[in-house]
Amino acid sequence: GQQVMQIPQYQHVQEGEDFTTYCNSSTTLSNIQWYKQRPGGHPVFLIQLVKSGEVKKQKRLTFQFGEAKKNSSLHITATQTTDVGTYFCASRQGGSEKLVFGKGTKLTVNP
Amino acid sequence: DTGVSQDPRHKITKRGQNVTFRCDPISEHNRLYWYRQTLGQGPEFLTYFQNEAQLEKSRLLSDRFSAERPKGSFSTLEIQRTEQGDSAMYLCASSLTRSTGNVNSPLHFGNGTRLTVT
Repeated sequence: GQQVMQIPQYQHVQEGEDFTTYCNSSTTLSNIQWYKQRPGGHPVFLIQLVKSGEVKKQKRLTFQFGEAKKNSSLHITATQTTDVGTYFCASRQGGSEKLVFGKGTKLTVNP
Repeated sequence: DTGVSQDPRHKITKRGQNVTFRCDPISEHNRLYWYRQTLGQGPEFLTYFQNEAQLEKSRLLSDRFSAERPKGSFSTLEIQRTEQGDSAMYLCASSLTRSTGNVNSPLHFGNGTRLTVT
């Protein structure tokens, strides 16, 4: 079945450095969602990308959907300690309505 | 919006016992999902409901797992004859889905029920 692969699995940065996580699929995705899970918390929806080549921004976060709709990225500019957590991409699998999540990228930020 | 509520927050049980978890979704949401999450992994889909109908169930889910949403509101997830491998965080999520196509409604997750099987 369709899977979304995320890299890297872990990323440790100094506060103020940039961070990027990537989500890749072997098949074309109809859309992709991004979630953030703080330590000890539950996943919280960040954004959804639908169109080929789409770019959306939320303050220091930039989300991109690839032209072929097979990959996506989340970029954080000038990380802060509040950015700590695990970032997941998720996509609908085939003709199913269920969301399939990647394994996530765990971000730690050294103050 | 009171959010998705799950009960209990924690459950410790002995192997072989049955456990039941409850989820109260956001009131106007028509879809309800159950996911399982283990340490260092993403949420793993278990099943979902559209109103009271269970529309999809993971093939990975054994017959020991059953879920219900009898009136299209709250849902219960029961695990019979628990095994140590069932230890995980069980997450419930809900969404309001008006149409299909390329747009998925975002999932709103509860805080989860952490199950420990000893």
